[in-house]
Amino acid sequence: GENVEQHPSTLSVQEGDSAVIKCTYSDSASNYFPWYKQELGKGPQLIIDIRSNVGEKKDQRIAVTLNKTAKHFSLHITETQPEDSAVYFCAASMETSYDKVIFGPGTSLSVIP
Amino acid sequence: DAGITQSPRHKVTETGTPVTLRCHQTENHRYMYWYRQDPGHGLRLIHYSYGVKDTDKGEVSDGYSVSRSKTEDFLLTLESATSSQTSVYFCAISGRQGAYSPLHFGNGTRLTVT
Repeated sequence: GENVEQHPSTLSVQEGDSAVIKCTYSDSASNYFPWYKQELGKGPQLIIDIRSNVGEKKDQRIAVTLNKTAKHFSLHITETQPEDSAVYFCAASMETSYDKVIFGPGTSLSVIP
Repeated sequence: DAGITQSPRHKVTETGTPVTLRCHQTENHRYMYWYRQDPGHGLRLIHYSYGVKDTDKGEVSDGYSVSRSKTEDFLLTLESATSSQTSVYFCAISGRQGAYSPLHFGNGTRLTVT
């Protein structure tokens, strides 16, 4: 079955710097890759997603890139702010299989003011 | 939080006792899910539902059962709790079938089995 790896497990950056989180997946049939942000004491919230027919997607300070050949995708956060501090999860799934959203183990991001 | 309420928010129980967690949604979404979150494992699917009385197993379903008698409620039951079921449990909903439909999560239930 699908396996999603995520690196690093923890990341500290200075406010204003960029942060990059990388994920790899194993199943070439996966075609949808969402990213979730989880703040302390809350459930994960979708922040951006990308489909396999797209190589890059941006939304203000966040962007996601996808390399289907290498089976990896990355989250980029620019001009980081303290409110970006959270745990981030990548996930991979197949369009026709709603029960097979596989999550990575998470990255704890700390933005130091 | 997309109209999702989980109860209780915290629960401490003893090994061998039954426990039921409740998820209530006000979005009238068809699909509902139970996940557990453990350090180093991300979120793992326990059970899901694709309609009233229609449920199926996820990747870590052993020791858990679910029921959905109404669109808005999805119950997760631990028939006989074990220490390995100490975890944070999240309910999620989505509006349509398919991986392109994002999940909306509740705020979780922290369960401790002593």
